[in-house]
Amino acid sequence: EIVMTQSPATLSVSPGESATLSCRASRSVETDLAWYQLKPGQAPRLLFYDATTRAVGVPARFSASGSGSDFTLTIISLESEDFAVYYCQQYSMWPSWGGETFGQGTKVDI
Amino acid sequence: EVQLVEAGGGLVQPDRSLTLSCKTSGFRFDDHAMHWVRQVPGKGLEWISGISWNNSSEEYAQSVKGRFTISRDNAKNSLYLKMSSLRTEDTALYYCARDKGSGWDWFFDLWGRGTLVTVSA
Repeated sequence: EIVMTQSPATLSVSPGESATLSCRASRSVETDLAWYQLKPGQAPRLLFYDATTRAVGVPARFSASGSGSDFTLTIISLESEDFAVYYCQQYSMWPSWGGETFGQGTKVDI
Repeated sequence: EVQLVEAGGGLVQPDRSLTLSCKTSGFRFDDHAMHWVRQVPGKGLEWISGISWNNSSEEYAQSVKGRFTISRDNAKNSLYLKMSSLRTEDTALYYCARDKGSGWDWFFDLWGRGTLVTVSA
């Protein structure tokens, strides 16, 4: 089974600042990792897949890096619309085999 | 417009059944596997079920296996989730999500806004 750990649980930043979010897998997932943004009342949004590939329409102020078991999502020059909860998701191991697929999320707030 | 719209949520008693639906539009539905993901209020995301583009393969999380059944109707561009023997811990916001591929890419490039299921006596 894979355990996904995100840190910090909450990140308090101001508009214009940068935010660095961490996601760690309990074993290597190679680059089978995605990042999502969730806002209340809205459909979740895919930000990155294959660890570093930006999804369509995602602004360049978002970047992602990592491989193996350590991954990072970075947001520079935060805008008000970026305040949300961010989840990482591994897809190296099928979730039907057990274990976690999503991390517990990092809330980015003011 | 490309979208997924869930429906069918509501208040249901424990041990009863409920069927959710997800109506899709704006893309070729049978080009993609589809999934259901839920979020318990105040908690994180949990993948619960997926189905291949042609109904040939279904996958379930251990937490719902044997109680939930996923299906799809490609002619109606719709995805379904039949939930039986519901438990209070099934209370959650249920999202319909599109797999990026027709096979099992296992990540989700399009989501709906969700439908809330509350299991309570």
